[in-house]
Amino acid sequence: SAVISQKPSRDICQRGTSLTIQCQVDSQVTMMFWYRQQPGQSLTLIATANQGSEATYESGFVIDKFPISRPNLTFSTLTVSNMSPEDSSIYLCSVASGQGSYGYTFGSGTRLTVV
Amino acid sequence: GDSVTQMEGPVTLSEEAFLTINCTYTATGYPSLFWYVQYPGEGLQLLLKATKADDKGSNKGFEATYRKETTSFHLEKGSVQVSDSAVYFCALSSTGGFKTIFGAGTRLFVKA
Repeated sequence: SAVISQKPSRDICQRGTSLTIQCQVDSQVTMMFWYRQQPGQSLTLIATANQGSEATYESGFVIDKFPISRPNLTFSTLTVSNMSPEDSSIYLCSVASGQGSYGYTFGSGTRLTVV
Repeated sequence: GDSVTQMEGPVTLSEEAFLTINCTYTATGYPSLFWYVQYPGEGLQLLLKATKADDKGSNKGFEATYRKETTSFHLEKGSVQVSDSAVYFCALSSTGGFKTIFGAGTRLFVKA
Protein backbone atom coordinates (compact mmCIF):
# COMPACT_ATOMS: atom_id res chain seq x y z
CA SER A 1 0.00 0.00 0.00
CA ALA A 2 0.99 3.64 -0.47
CA VAL A 3 3.19 5.46 2.02
CA ILE A 4 2.21 9.02 2.90
CA SER A 5 4.52 11.65 4.36
CA GLN A 6 2.62 14.44 6.03
CA LYS A 7 4.09 17.60 7.54
CA PRO A 8 4.24 19.41 9.78
CA SER A 9 3.42 16.84 12.43
CA ARG A 10 2.28 19.55 14.81
CA ASP A 11 2.15 23.31 15.08
CA ILE A 12 0.96 26.02 17.42
CA CYS A 13 -0.37 29.03 15.55
CA GLN A 14 -1.73 32.45 16.36
CA ARG A 15 -5.37 33.18 15.59
CA GLY A 16 -5.88 34.99 12.30
CA THR A 17 -2.90 33.33 10.62
CA SER A 18 -2.85 30.47 8.10
CA LEU A 19 -1.11 27.10 8.05
CA THR A 20 -0.39 24.94 5.03
CA ILE A 21 -0.20 21.17 5.50
CA GLN A 22 1.59 19.04 2.94
CA CYS A 23 1.09 15.41 1.95
CA GLN A 24 3.47 13.51 -0.28
CA VAL A 25 2.59 10.02 -1.53
CA ASP A 26 5.17 7.55 -2.77
CA SER A 27 3.00 6.51 -5.74
CA GLN A 28 0.60 8.17 -8.13
CA VAL A 29 -2.98 8.32 -6.88
CA THR A 30 -6.08 9.73 -8.50
CA MET A 31 -7.80 11.04 -5.40
CA MET A 32 -6.54 12.34 -2.11
CA PHE A 33 -8.78 13.00 0.84
CA TRP A 34 -8.46 15.52 3.66
CA TYR A 35 -10.03 14.82 7.06
CA ARG A 36 -10.40 16.74 10.29
CA GLN A 37 -10.47 15.04 13.67
CA GLN A 38 -11.56 17.39 16.40
CA PRO A 39 -10.49 16.57 19.97
CA GLY A 40 -12.12 13.35 21.13
CA GLN A 41 -14.15 13.07 17.94
CA SER A 42 -14.25 10.88 14.88
CA LEU A 43 -13.00 11.84 11.44
CA THR A 44 -14.91 14.22 9.23
CA LEU A 45 -14.16 14.45 5.53
CA ILE A 46 -13.26 18.01 4.51
CA ALA A 47 -12.75 17.54 0.79
CA THR A 48 -11.64 15.25 -2.01
CA ALA A 49 -8.77 16.48 -4.16
CA ASN A 50 -8.34 15.36 -7.76
CA GLN A 51 -5.36 16.32 -9.83
CA GLY A 52 -6.18 18.94 -12.45
CA SER A 53 -9.53 19.98 -11.07
CA GLU A 54 -10.95 21.86 -8.13
CA ALA A 55 -11.41 19.99 -4.90
CA THR A 56 -14.87 18.80 -3.93
CA TYR A 57 -15.87 20.07 -0.49
CA GLU A 58 -18.23 18.42 1.95
CA SER A 59 -21.12 20.22 3.54
CA GLY A 60 -19.89 22.70 6.13
CA PHE A 61 -16.48 23.24 4.54
CA VAL A 62 -15.66 25.98 2.03
CA ILE A 63 -12.76 26.69 -0.27
CA ASP A 64 -12.04 30.12 1.21
CA LYS A 65 -11.41 28.57 4.61
CA PHE A 66 -9.70 25.36 3.46
CA PRO A 67 -8.06 25.94 0.07
CA ILE A 68 -6.54 22.80 -1.41
CA SER A 69 -3.94 22.38 -4.10
CA ARG A 70 -3.25 19.23 -6.10
CA PRO A 71 -0.50 20.06 -8.57
CA ASN A 72 0.34 16.45 -9.48
CA LEU A 73 -0.61 12.85 -8.73
CA THR A 74 1.68 12.48 -5.69
CA PHE A 75 1.24 15.72 -3.77
CA SER A 76 -1.44 17.86 -2.15
CA THR A 77 -1.68 20.71 0.32
CA LEU A 78 -4.45 21.86 2.63
CA THR A 79 -4.38 25.39 4.01
CA VAL A 80 -6.30 26.31 7.13
CA SER A 81 -6.96 30.03 6.69
CA ASN A 82 -7.69 32.81 9.15
CA MET A 83 -7.47 30.37 12.02
CA SER A 84 -9.47 30.51 15.23
CA PRO A 85 -9.22 28.27 18.32
CA GLU A 86 -12.12 26.22 16.93
CA ASP A 87 -9.78 25.05 14.16
CA SER A 88 -7.62 23.23 16.71
CA SER A 89 -7.77 19.64 15.45
CA ILE A 90 -5.79 16.87 13.89
CA TYR A 91 -5.79 17.10 10.10
CA LEU A 92 -5.13 13.95 8.10
CA CYS A 93 -4.68 13.20 4.44
CA SER A 94 -5.61 9.86 2.98
CA VAL A 95 -5.47 7.88 -0.23
CA ALA A 96 -7.37 4.81 -1.33
CA SER A 97 -5.49 1.54 -1.38
CA GLY A 98 -6.74 0.52 -4.79
CA GLN A 99 -10.51 0.71 -5.00
CA GLY A 100 -12.40 1.86 -1.93
CA SER A 101 -13.10 -1.69 -0.85
CA TYR A 102 -9.45 -2.19 0.02
CA GLY A 103 -9.36 0.53 2.64
CA TYR A 104 -7.40 3.68 2.94
CA THR A 105 -3.93 4.70 3.94
CA PHE A 106 -3.59 7.71 6.19
CA GLY A 107 -0.84 10.17 6.84
CA SER A 108 0.39 10.46 10.40
CA GLY A 109 -1.61 13.64 10.89
CA THR A 110 -0.95 17.28 11.74
CA ARG A 111 -1.89 18.30 15.26
CA LEU A 112 -2.85 21.97 15.09
CA THR A 113 -3.34 24.16 18.13
CA VAL A 114 -4.59 27.71 17.62
CA VAL A 115 -3.99 30.16 20.45
CA GLY B 1 -27.61 8.07 4.37
CA ASP B 2 -24.93 5.61 5.33
CA SER B 3 -23.86 5.55 8.96
CA VAL B 4 -21.79 3.62 11.47
CA THR B 5 -22.60 3.21 15.15
CA GLN B 6 -20.10 1.78 17.58
CA MET B 7 -20.15 1.31 21.31
CA GLU B 8 -19.14 4.21 23.45
CA GLY B 9 -15.96 4.08 25.40
CA PRO B 10 -13.79 4.13 27.14
CA VAL B 11 -13.43 0.40 27.54
CA THR B 12 -11.05 -0.60 30.34
CA LEU B 13 -9.77 -4.16 30.52
CA SER B 14 -7.06 -6.05 32.30
CA GLU B 15 -4.32 -7.67 30.30
CA GLU B 16 -5.33 -11.05 28.79
CA ALA B 17 -9.04 -10.22 29.00
CA PHE B 18 -11.41 -10.82 26.09
CA LEU B 19 -12.32 -7.79 24.01
CA THR B 20 -15.49 -7.04 22.08
CA ILE B 21 -16.21 -3.66 20.53
CA ASN B 22 -19.63 -3.56 18.91
CA CYS B 23 -20.22 -1.94 15.54
CA THR B 24 -23.41 -1.77 13.49
CA TYR B 25 -23.98 -0.03 10.20
CA THR B 26 -26.65 1.33 7.91
CA ALA B 27 -25.96 1.32 4.20
CA THR B 28 -27.54 0.67 0.86
CA GLY B 29 -26.07 -2.06 -1.27
CA TYR B 30 -23.08 -4.06 -0.10
CA PRO B 31 -20.50 -1.88 1.61
CA SER B 32 -16.99 -2.86 2.56
CA LEU B 33 -16.32 -2.74 6.29
CA PHE B 34 -13.16 -1.78 8.13
CA TRP B 35 -11.61 -1.42 11.53
CA TYR B 36 -8.94 1.24 11.94
CA VAL B 37 -6.72 1.76 14.98
CA GLN B 38 -5.21 5.02 16.19
CA TYR B 39 -2.40 4.72 18.71
CA PRO B 40 -1.66 7.73 20.92
CA GLY B 41 -0.18 10.59 18.94
CA GLU B 42 -0.39 8.78 15.61
CA GLY B 43 -2.56 8.68 12.51
CA LEU B 44 -4.96 5.91 11.59
CA GLN B 45 -3.87 2.47 10.53
CA LEU B 46 -6.04 -0.07 8.79
CA LEU B 47 -6.42 -3.01 11.19
CA LEU B 48 -8.64 -5.35 9.18
CA LYS B 49 -11.33 -5.38 6.53
CA ALA B 50 -14.12 -7.47 5.04
CA THR B 51 -15.63 -6.87 1.64
CA LYS B 52 -18.66 -9.19 1.55
CA ALA B 53 -21.11 -10.95 3.81
CA ASP B 54 -19.69 -13.69 6.06
CA ASP B 55 -16.12 -12.58 5.35
CA LYS B 56 -13.91 -12.59 8.41
CA GLY B 57 -11.14 -10.02 8.61
CA SER B 58 -8.24 -10.72 10.93
CA ASN B 59 -4.93 -9.16 11.91
CA LYS B 60 -2.69 -9.11 15.00
CA GLY B 61 -5.09 -11.39 16.88
CA PHE B 62 -8.10 -9.18 16.15
CA GLU B 63 -11.08 -10.55 14.22
CA ALA B 64 -14.36 -9.22 12.87
CA THR B 65 -17.02 -10.98 10.82
CA TYR B 66 -19.24 -9.20 8.28
CA ARG B 67 -22.80 -10.08 9.37
CA LYS B 68 -25.29 -8.82 6.82
CA GLU B 69 -28.32 -10.23 8.62
CA THR B 70 -27.56 -8.17 11.72
CA THR B 71 -25.69 -5.37 9.87
CA SER B 72 -22.81 -5.77 12.31
CA PHE B 73 -19.03 -5.96 12.26
CA HIS B 74 -17.99 -6.47 15.88
CA LEU B 75 -14.29 -6.41 16.73
CA GLU B 76 -12.96 -9.17 18.98
CA LYS B 77 -9.67 -10.24 20.46
CA GLY B 78 -9.19 -13.20 22.74
CA SER B 79 -6.42 -11.80 24.93
CA VAL B 80 -5.60 -8.09 24.94
CA GLN B 81 -2.23 -6.60 25.76
CA VAL B 82 -1.24 -3.24 27.18
CA SER B 83 0.08 -2.34 23.73
CA ASP B 84 -3.47 -2.64 22.34
CA SER B 85 -4.46 0.54 24.16
CA ALA B 86 -5.68 2.83 21.40
CA VAL B 87 -8.79 4.26 19.78
CA TYR B 88 -10.59 1.89 17.43
CA PHE B 89 -12.76 3.15 14.57
CA CYS B 90 -15.30 1.12 12.67
CA ALA B 91 -15.86 2.35 9.12
CA LEU B 92 -17.64 1.55 5.89
CA SER B 93 -17.13 2.33 2.24
CA SER B 94 -20.18 2.08 0.04
CA THR B 95 -20.33 -0.04 -3.07
CA GLY B 96 -18.31 1.53 -5.86
CA GLY B 97 -17.59 4.60 -3.81
CA PHE B 98 -14.47 6.16 -2.41
CA LYS B 99 -16.00 7.93 0.53
CA THR B 100 -15.49 6.35 3.94
CA ILE B 101 -17.90 6.82 6.82
CA PHE B 102 -16.37 6.48 10.27
CA GLY B 103 -17.92 5.62 13.59
CA ALA B 104 -17.26 7.81 16.61
CA GLY B 105 -14.38 5.67 17.83
CA THR B 106 -13.97 3.59 20.98
CA ARG B 107 -11.07 4.21 23.30
CA LEU B 108 -9.56 1.07 24.83
CA PHE B 109 -7.40 1.10 27.95
CA VAL B 110 -5.63 -2.13 28.88
CA LYS B 111 -4.18 -2.33 32.40
CA ALA B 112 -1.18 -4.48 33.28
